Amino acid sequence: TQLLEQSPQFLSIQEGENLTVYCNSSSVFSSLQWYRQEPGEGPVLLVTVVTGGEVKKLKRLTFQFGDARKDSSLHITAAQPGDTGLYLCAGETDSWGKLQFGAGTQVVVTP
Amino acid sequence: EAGVVQSPRYKIIEKKQPVAFWCNPISGHNTLYWYRQNLGQGPELLIRYENEEAVDDSQLPKDRFSAERLKGVDSTLKIQPAELGDSAVYLCASSLVGLSTTELFFGEGSRLTVL
Repeated sequence: TQLLEQSPQFLSIQEGENLTVYCNSSSVFSSLQWYRQEPGEGPVLLVTVVTGGEVKKLKRLTFQFGDARKDSSLHITAAQPGDTGLYLCAGETDSWGKLQFGAGTQVVVTP
Repeated sequence: EAGVVQSPRYKIIEKKQPVAFWCNPISGHNTLYWYRQNLGQGPELLIRYENEEAVDDSQLPKDRFSAERLKGVDSTLKIQPAELGDSAVYLCASSLVGLSTTELFFGEGSRLTVL
């Protein structure tokens, strides 16, 4: 059983469309991170959010941390084929240095 | 700056055979992680080292898996004997714990196929 539930599991969209993926838990996290993983590679960190209600923007990507620090969302505006990948959220609890990952959302953006 | 280096990238073995994976973390990173990732799933923590001490190995199947991190730098993960269900990608990551948040840097992974 995953501590972090991600939805949807799979998302296929056309280039130029918008998308949102979600990461939910019943646990409170001291920080939450989003990673993107491409085939044959390890996950690469996109962003870290630490404050409830925090919103961070990274070009066309917008990340939000829930007020209660239990959930997060990732919104991509005008998706491009280069956004294709497995998006993983990871939460850090009170145990310093311990990150637990969700199962991921596979995003496919077709030209 | 060199990233996390893992080897081998790919390994195919028959069940009951032993296998070992090696990881060289980013220089200066005090914490090293081994994760297992099954196809279409997120990484699952096997073991976490702070320097040379294993501080979290609760998810490591100790009957067949072992790990070591000598001198607090490189690490080796061993499986003996391997089972069919061990087929997965084994990811090594490192971080510098002590900052306000933990950010992991991953290697490319070692893909294991057990026949």
